[in-house]
Amino acid sequence: QSALTQPASVSGSPGQSITVSCTGTSSDVGGYNYVSWYQQHPGKAPKLMIYDVSNRPSGVSNRFSGSKSGNTASLTISGLQAEDEADYYCNSYTSSSTLVFGTGTKVTVL
Amino acid sequence: QVQLVESGGGVVQPGRSLRLSCAASGFTFSSYGIHWVRQALGKGLEWVAVISYNGNHKYYADSVKGRFTISRDNSKNTLYLQMNSLRAEDTAVYYCAKVAREWLDVTDASDIWGQGTMVTVSS
Repeated sequence: QSALTQPASVSGSPGQSITVSCTGTSSDVGGYNYVSWYQQHPGKAPKLMIYDVSNRPSGVSNRFSGSKSGNTASLTISGLQAEDEADYYCNSYTSSSTLVFGTGTKVTVL
Repeated sequence: QVQLVESGGGVVQPGRSLRLSCAASGFTFSSYGIHWVRQALGKGLEWVAVISYNGNHKYYADSVKGRFTISRDNSKNTLYLQMNSLRAEDTAVYYCAKVAREWLDVTDASDIWGQGTMVTVSS
């Protein structure tokens, strides 16, 4: 199972909106609404930000939103803040009854 | 509070075995599936395996299938990962992660993660 494709880096200024893409195939992202997004700060464990494509867990800021179109899922961070600087990973269920992570995106706040 | 604590990591020679443990507290362990996820130093996350709440369903990444075995003891609130025939490419921090919703397993996201345990495979 190949990793889902994410851009290596995305950057934005404070207050701006950015979008991180996650491209897979019809056997994973495109075939199921089981896409999740994780935020990871250096040296820390990942934190769940979005599940089932567009749902936010309790306690996660509403500045984070998720969507999907075809084989590509997206994470949008609006009103970018300094604490949003981190690595972000998408994750999807696959037709092989496994999970696959994306390659990861480093978000930089300029 | 809800907590997962991994242990059992260390340095092991190629071809040898190691067993990781993940001790759970603060929630009804027997109601939730649990994942193992690993991360090599400076690299991305890689899903390893998942086990259902009752241990009846287990799924593995191709990279570990046939070498790793996930199991759980609900009476001890503990998850295990038996790793055999270890290779250099298995070197990573190993995290256990609880699924977010009761009774689900491979399809569900992970809302609670442990701090990880380091496994180094080297001669």
